[in-house]
Amino acid sequence: DAKTTQPPSMDCAEGRAANLPCNHSTISGNEYVYWYRQIHSQGPQYIIHGLKNNETNEMASLIITEDRKSSTLILPHATLRDTAVYYCIVRPYNAGNNRKLIWGLGTSLAVNP
Amino acid sequence: NAGVTQTPKFQVLKTGQSMTLQCAQDMNHNSMYWYRQDPGMGLRLIYYSASEGTTDKGEVPNGYNVSRLNKREFSLRLESAAPSQTSVYFCASTLGGTGTAGSYGYTFGSGTRLTVV
Repeated sequence: DAKTTQPPSMDCAEGRAANLPCNHSTISGNEYVYWYRQIHSQGPQYIIHGLKNNETNEMASLIITEDRKSSTLILPHATLRDTAVYYCIVRPYNAGNNRKLIWGLGTSLAVNP
Repeated sequence: NAGVTQTPKFQVLKTGQSMTLQCAQDMNHNSMYWYRQDPGMGLRLIYYSASEGTTDKGEVPNGYNVSRLNKREFSLRLESAAPSQTSVYFCASTLGGTGTAGSYGYTFGSGTRLTVV
């Protein structure tokens, strides 16, 4: 099962882009990369996911390297409300494999005024 | 849409007491999950239900039981609470299945903060 490695903490100035890296060097061909965030004491919130192509939605962009061994979540214009713990996880698309999800401790992003 | 609703939000139990944590989703999702989150540790899967009528153990099932009451509801029961079960419990759901549907992300509830004294 692919595990992920993220820096424990990062800082970002309000209004600037926040680029959160994630390493997943053992990712398998059928595993997606997912990003979630958890704002203080709330349940995790889904942000974005991708398989091999770059993805963008209203919240963020996801850049996956060509070899799929790492990815970057980009918050284009960070606000104070983006202060949260960000989790990068990999997951096979077969729902029966969900018991193998490894969440890790994520990256604690602090957006500063 | 309410999404995933968990009750209660807070609970204090004495060692040995029992209780049931309730979870309901209104998104017509097939798969539901119970996680616990402890300080300094990531989310850990307790039990999951891939579809109505099925349940399976996750990473840390000891001391817990679950019931998938129907497609909407998935409850977690502590038969004899222990201080080690003090934690924040999250219920989650996803569309489930394989292929594109199986790739959808999870929707989480707001959590139940349980203290066992």
